[in-house]
Amino acid sequence: EPEVTQTPSHQVTQMGQEVILRCVPISNHLYFYWYRQILGQKVEFLVSFYNNEISEKSEIFDDQFSVERPDGSNFTLKIRSTKLEDSAMYFCAGKGGPDTEAFFGQGTRLTVV
Amino acid sequence: AQTVTQSQPEMSVQEAETVTLSCTYDTSESNYYLFWYKQPPSRQMILVIRQEAYKQQNATENRFSVNFQKAAKSFSLKISDSQLGDTAMYFCASNAGGTSYGKLTFGQGTILTVHP
Repeated sequence: EPEVTQTPSHQVTQMGQEVILRCVPISNHLYFYWYRQILGQKVEFLVSFYNNEISEKSEIFDDQFSVERPDGSNFTLKIRSTKLEDSAMYFCAGKGGPDTEAFFGQGTRLTVV
Repeated sequence: AQTVTQSQPEMSVQEAETVTLSCTYDTSESNYYLFWYKQPPSRQMILVIRQEAYKQQNATENRFSVNFQKAAKSFSLKISDSQLGDTAMYFCASNAGGTSYGKLTFGQGTILTVHP
C-alpha cells in the first residue's frame, strides 16, 4: 500500500539554525499539506500546496517558513531560523482531491535546543 | 472559518464494551466533510471514518460508527467491542468543500484508554 514517507524521524537543532523537513507524498496525490502538533496539543494547519504554489497558509506560517516541491517528488518544509517554540511534531499529508482522505506521514519530531 | 470542539480530554472503557466520543463543530460552509483520526503512541495519524455532510446516513466502518446530527452540528464516534489496540488519541476534524484546498481543522483530541 502506498504511503507518505517523512525524513528524518527526529531532528535536534540549535536555536537559530535552519532545518529542512522532507516528505515524499504518494505519487498520484495533488494536494499537499504541513501540519504541526506541539506536544500534548491539537494538530494545527500550517500550509497547503497545490499546483506548485501555496494555496493557503495559517498565521503560524510566517516569513521563517517556506515550502517547495522542487523535483515533483519531494515536498519540503524549511524553517530558516528555528526558535524554541518551533519544537513540535511536524506532519506531512497528501490528498488526491480536496475532499478525499488525507494520508499522513509518520511525522518528524523537531526539537530546538 | 471552521472550528471543532472535543469536550472530553480523556475517556476510558473496558475491553469489549462500547464507548462514544463527542465532537461538535461550527462552519459556515454548506458543503463539508467530517473525519475521525486515530493517533496511537507511535504518533501516526490514521483515518478511522469519514462522513460527507450532504449524506444523511451515518457512516460505519466495522466496529466504528458515527452519529451525525447536522442541525446540532454534532459528530460523535461510537466504538463497539473495544479492543486494547483502540487505545489512542482520537481527533475529530473537518474540512470545507469547494475552494478550501482541503485543509483539515482538528479538535483538541480525546485520549481513549481501553482496559483489559
